[in-house]
Amino acid sequence: SQELEQSPQSLIVQEGKNLTINCTSSKTLYGLYWYKQKYGEGLIFLMMLQKGGEEKSHEKITAKLDEKKQQSSLHITASQPSHAGIYLCGADFTDSWGKLQFGAGTQVVVTP
Amino acid sequence: GAGVSQSPSNKVTEKGKDVELRCDPISGHTALYWYRQRLGQGLEFLIYFQGNSAPDKSGLPSDRFSAERTGESVSTLTIQRTQQEDSAVYLCASSSYSGLYEQYFGPGTRLTVT
Repeated sequence: SQELEQSPQSLIVQEGKNLTINCTSSKTLYGLYWYKQKYGEGLIFLMMLQKGGEEKSHEKITAKLDEKKQQSSLHITASQPSHAGIYLCGADFTDSWGKLQFGAGTQVVVTP
Repeated sequence: GAGVSQSPSNKVTEKGKDVELRCDPISGHTALYWYRQRLGQGLEFLIYFQGNSAPDKSGLPSDRFSAERTGESVSTLTIQRTQQEDSAVYLCASSSYSGLYEQYFGPGTRLTVT
C-alpha cells in the first residue's frame, strides 16, 4: 500500500546487535499492527498499537506509535537467529473497521 | 480449534478452471478476513465478514471472486475461470470482533494457475 511505507526494505544485522524498522502512514491511523512472516508460513501476530504514544514490549521486541508523525517503529534488542524473517506493518485506518492495509515488508537477516 | 486453519495448503490448477479455498477460523471469532499476497507484492485485503452483517466485498478484484461464510464458522473463497494473475498465497484471518482486535492468520493456501 502506498499509504503505508516501511523502511528499510531489508536489513542484515549481526547476531546480538539491535535493529529498528519504521512504518509511516500518509493517513490517520486507527490502529497499527505488527506481524512477522517466515517463508511459506502465515503471519504471526506480534503487537497492536492504537493510541498515540503507546508502547508495547514482548521479550526483546518493542513497538511504539507516534501519533503526531503517524509513524510506528519496531525495535529488536540483541537480535537472535530466531528474529530472522519478514516484518509487516498493517494499518487500520479510521474508516476501515478491521480491513488492514499492509506495508511492503522488511526482510531481516541475522548473521552469526 | 487452536488456530486458523486453511485448506488446501497448495493448489495447482489450469487456467480457466474454478477453485475453492477453505478457511476455518478460531472458534468464537465473529470476524473473518481474506487477504491475498502475490509474489513480490504486499498483502491485499479482499473481503471480510462480521457476524450476520453483509460482508464487505470492497477488495475483491473482479466478479470472478466470491466468498461465503456459514454463520460464524467456515468460509469458502471461490475463484471462477482462474487466470494466471490469480496465482498468489491466499490468507485467511479471524478476530474476536471487527475493528481494533488482534487478527490471527492461517498458514495460507498457495494457488498456482498454469
